[in-house]
Amino acid sequence: EVQLVQSGTVMKKPGESLKISCEGSGYDFGTFWIGWVRQMPGKGLEWMGIIYPGDSHSRYNPSFQGQVTISADKSINTAYLQLSSLKASDTAVYYCVRRLQRSALNWFDPWGQGTLVTVS
Amino acid sequence: DYQMTQSPSSVSASVGDRVTISCRASGGISSFLAWYQQKPGKAPKLLIYAASVLQSGVPSRFSGSGFGTDFTLTINSLQPEDFATYYCQQANTFPTFGQGTRLE
Repeated sequence: EVQLVQSGTVMKKPGESLKISCEGSGYDFGTFWIGWVRQMPGKGLEWMGIIYPGDSHSRYNPSFQGQVTISADKSINTAYLQLSSLKASDTAVYYCVRRLQRSALNWFDPWGQGTLVTVS
Repeated sequence: DYQMTQSPSSVSASVGDRVTISCRASGGISSFLAWYQQKPGKAPKLLIYAASVLQSGVPSRFSGSGFGTDFTLTINSLQPEDFATYYCQQANTFPTFGQGTRLE
């Protein structure tokens, strides 16, 4: 079974940093793009960026560029989302997602279970 | 960037009904559109991609259509488990989602 498993709920203070992990299993991790999606409380979905674990080539939503860092370590089948200088407005659930296919099209399946980040 | 606009924002229906949700892109996106279902406290689930291709394991009462700027998700014979929020998403280089449609 193809699945993504994320690290657990996090509570941070403003100004702190955090790194969320996303471990893939059931497929060749290095050959499928992994992305991150934010969902603020009671709101919709926002694509943040994406990375190809095979060579760590990444692409960011301009709205998040400079605010987040996406990385991956294919040796341990894990992608990461790093958020720095946290603000209360970073409070959200963050999902990692995998491109459904190896093609260049960004439809996503599966999704990780989500990581709730609370900044307060 | 393509802006995605869904209508309606919410819809009320009953078990057994047929429901249609629309999604409009701000520019032509060919058939590069996906639909997701999200239930409270859960991750979204891919239902349809390439505008009309049903993802494996998704019931056949779900269908999608459209091309270019206008797209539709149809759910035939609503089941209790279908009451959720639905999102469309354009699948180009910088993906964007619609604002969601709550089916209640």
